[in-house]
Amino acid sequence: DQQVKQNSPSLSVQEGRISILNCDYTNSMFDYFLWYKKYPAEGPTFLISISSIKDKNEDGRFTVFLNKSAKHLSLHIVPSQPGDSAVYFCAASAKNRDDKIIFGKGTRLHILP
Amino acid sequence: DAGVIQSPRHEVTEMGQEVTLRCKPISGHNSLFWYRQTMMRGLELLIYFNNNVPIDDSGMPEDRFSAKMPNASFSTLKIQPSEPRDSAVYFCASRRTGGLGYTFGSGTRLTVV
Repeated sequence: DQQVKQNSPSLSVQEGRISILNCDYTNSMFDYFLWYKKYPAEGPTFLISISSIKDKNEDGRFTVFLNKSAKHLSLHIVPSQPGDSAVYFCAASAKNRDDKIIFGKGTRLHILP
Repeated sequence: DAGVIQSPRHEVTEMGQEVTLRCKPISGHNSLFWYRQTMMRGLELLIYFNNNVPIDDSGMPEDRFSAKMPNASFSTLKIQPSEPRDSAVYFCASRRTGGLGYTFGSGTRLTVV
């Protein structure tokens, strides 16, 4: 059973436009959410996170939104750049319970020239 | 800081052979995680250690898989005997106590033929 779901395996966005990657979760114990970015032949790297006490966190071109009632979060990238082409993993943890982070299957983002 | 170091980067082996994957976490990080990435299941947590002690191995697929952490600077993931369905990219990650995200290694691409 997938506790963290990324229902779009891939997404194509024109350079300069907004990229929106979506993620749903099922475990109400999750209280911390993260996005990781992965290039081919490299390990995932941390991108941005949000605590469940917030509904928005912004870092430069990247903003994560959290809707706890819908158990949904999204990552917005504005404006999208060619270097943003990568696989993006949504992840969640129940920090008050254990250390482990549960990842979704990932969404491959293609930025088109 | 050399990051999380995994070896080998690539491993090709015949079905039935023993495979050992290695990981050196970041110095000072006391949590270590082994993940497996496949197209079908994304990033799955196999096992994690806190202070060299295995905490949760519920993700280990079957008895053919075993993991050890004899000291704070080294961990192994062993598959014996290996099968073609074990083919995947295996990632090791580490985190210091209280840290929010993991630092991943570059992964080991395992191919079992």
